[in-house]
Amino acid sequence: KAGVTQTPRYLIKTRGQQVTLSCSPISGHRSVSWYQQTPGQGLQFLFEYFSETQRNKGNFPGRFSGRQFSNSRSEMNVSTLELGDSALYLCASSSGDRAYGYTFGSGTRLTVV
Amino acid sequence: AQSVSQHNHHVILSEAASLELGCNYSYGGTVNLFWYVQYPGQHLQLLLKYFSGDPLVKGIKGFEAEFIKSKFSFNLRKPSVQWSDTAEYFCAVIYNAGNMLTFGGGTRLMVKP
Repeated sequence: KAGVTQTPRYLIKTRGQQVTLSCSPISGHRSVSWYQQTPGQGLQFLFEYFSETQRNKGNFPGRFSGRQFSNSRSEMNVSTLELGDSALYLCASSSGDRAYGYTFGSGTRLTVV
Repeated sequence: AQSVSQHNHHVILSEAASLELGCNYSYGGTVNLFWYVQYPGQHLQLLLKYFSGDPLVKGIKGFEAEFIKSKFSFNLRKPSVQWSDTAEYFCAVIYNAGNMLTFGGGTRLMVKP
């Protein structure tokens, strides 16, 4: 069973630009969550999608948005990038039943210059 | 606000020493508890989880954790660590049957050979 696939692995963007990150969950999983990991703030929840609907949203500005497609693949978009958006963005896949836990991808390392 | 605390930020042990990493969560109703490990350069991996039943949970690689409801704690233990256990360990909680993981700040463990 393939794991959670995140693309690209690395990105360098300039302040003010926008970026789109992609996550393909484990086959059959319908829930995709996004987390931001930084040295200062640790791991913080961004949002979670289940069957194309956003079920939960963390405390991030509106510049951070996401969506999920009918095949469960998810994209996360960050507009008007700021230096502080530099982070490792992690995607977690789940069947939708939290009892089975969450499987994380390797992440996308975003650097804003 | 619901939060998770890991009081030990850095731990250094010699091989064969016993390990206990602390994790405390804030009161917030029902909780589901997790420990994740992040080896250098790798993605987050689930070590163990607690949902209900026996408060002593056994996970992979010889790790176990004990849920003590009265102390709001879920400490991770291993009787004898190995050099390969060098990694960062994260405690995480889901509050009130939600779908969002709240992470602690992590504990970096270094095991000296």
